[in-house]
Amino acid sequence: DAGVIQSPRHEVTEMGQEVTLRCKPISGHDYLFWYRQTMMRGLELLIYFNNNVPIDDSGMPEDRFSAKMPNASFSTLKIQPSEPRDSAVYFCASSFWDRGGDEQFFGPGTRLTVL
Amino acid sequence: SQELEQSPQSLIVQEGKNLTINCTSSKTLYGLYWYKQKYGEGLIFLMMLQKGGEEKSHEKITAKLDEKKQQSSLHITASQPSHAGIYLCGADMNRDDKIIFGKGTRLHILP
Repeated sequence: DAGVIQSPRHEVTEMGQEVTLRCKPISGHDYLFWYRQTMMRGLELLIYFNNNVPIDDSGMPEDRFSAKMPNASFSTLKIQPSEPRDSAVYFCASSFWDRGGDEQFFGPGTRLTVL
Repeated sequence: SQELEQSPQSLIVQEGKNLTINCTSSKTLYGLYWYKQKYGEGLIFLMMLQKGGEEKSHEKITAKLDEKKQQSSLHITASQPSHAGIYLCGADMNRDDKIIFGKGTRLHILP
């Protein structure tokens, strides 16, 4: 398996533009998580899905952020309009729950810079 | 306040030396995860601890969970340059599907 795939790996955009980050989870995994990592705040959970359904979006900072999971193999995180303070590395992770635990497998991340 | 505190924040160790990283929770731990992150890359799972007193090892890395103290420690024996990176602990504090992460410990290994 190729692991969790994220695209793009790097994104540079100007303030006010729409940004869409993409994630393909590991096949067979039923959980998908979106995280944001900054030096100041560390790794923060934004939203997670179970079987394509959003379960908890309490970490989404503002209405400018939205996430969708139209099917089991694809999810998007959209920021509209983007602001400089959104600059961070965004990670997608997926997992499959079983009795042994629920290790999350992380993608390589998307480094977003908003100018 | 941070629910999961890691210490130290940064650590510089001579190659071959042993080291310990700590992770302390403000709440009961139902599961404790250790991940390693190389600079500019994603997180790699190291191990998960679920029961008080549990101890797991992977190569030269050992992690223990002290449930009463709500604390976990990660110990590296005879450190190598390949151990350099950021070590993050994550915890299940609410028996849900969420993992709350600490801010990480940056480990540098001097040759």
